[in-house]
Amino acid sequence: QQPVQSPQAVILREGEDAVINCSSSKALYSVHWYRQKHGEAPVFLMILLKGGEQKGHDKISASFNEKKQQSSLYLTASQLSYSGTYFCGTEPQAAGNKLTFGGGTRVLVKP
Amino acid sequence: DGGITQSPKYLFRKEGQNVTLSCEQNLNHDAMYWYRQDPGQGLRLIYYSQIVNDFQKGDIAEGYSVSREKKESFPLTVTSAQKNPTAFYLCASTKWGAEDTQYFGPGTRLTVL
Repeated sequence: QQPVQSPQAVILREGEDAVINCSSSKALYSVHWYRQKHGEAPVFLMILLKGGEQKGHDKISASFNEKKQQSSLYLTASQLSYSGTYFCGTEPQAAGNKLTFGGGTRVLVKP
Repeated sequence: DGGITQSPKYLFRKEGQNVTLSCEQNLNHDAMYWYRQDPGQGLRLIYYSQIVNDFQKGDIAEGYSVSREKKESFPLTVTSAQKNPTAFYLCASTKWGAEDTQYFGPGTRLTVL
């Protein structure tokens, strides 16, 4: 079953923060976050593993709440380059690298 | 440079024709995947393969076929049985069993005329 992402879209001014959520009805082993620009392939941002720590890259970080089967992606002090569609890919227990992707969250950062 | 290549970038097909999309990787990855993406939508899994000469259906396999004769290559054939094949097709690969993510190729945009 497909994970649910929220919100579906968000518009930010440069420098503002945003949170994107990804919820699953299944127990999860890992959550993978990607960003996709229009017409291009998804680019890997980070992976969160069950029992692992919160990850971060530059001003983008993520957390994984195993009890709620939910992951959140935090965009801090957003930059114009953060615009795109963000997807979470979830891997249930013992699925072996087989991901199910959410419907995506469109992010537009304006000057 | 290691990576995943897909060809062609754009492909046009007449109704009733089969067409094959190429996916090659030189990352020494074990597993390869094919996804379909419709405008404004997420990625849906068509087929995946963990090892050579073996592959499994994903969520939307009907109207598609694949082969995995070499570790580096995983071509996808869109057959005439696929009712609505116009979409963006993405190939990905990963090291099977490792705590690693999937890496994507640049994609092929297929349009049926």
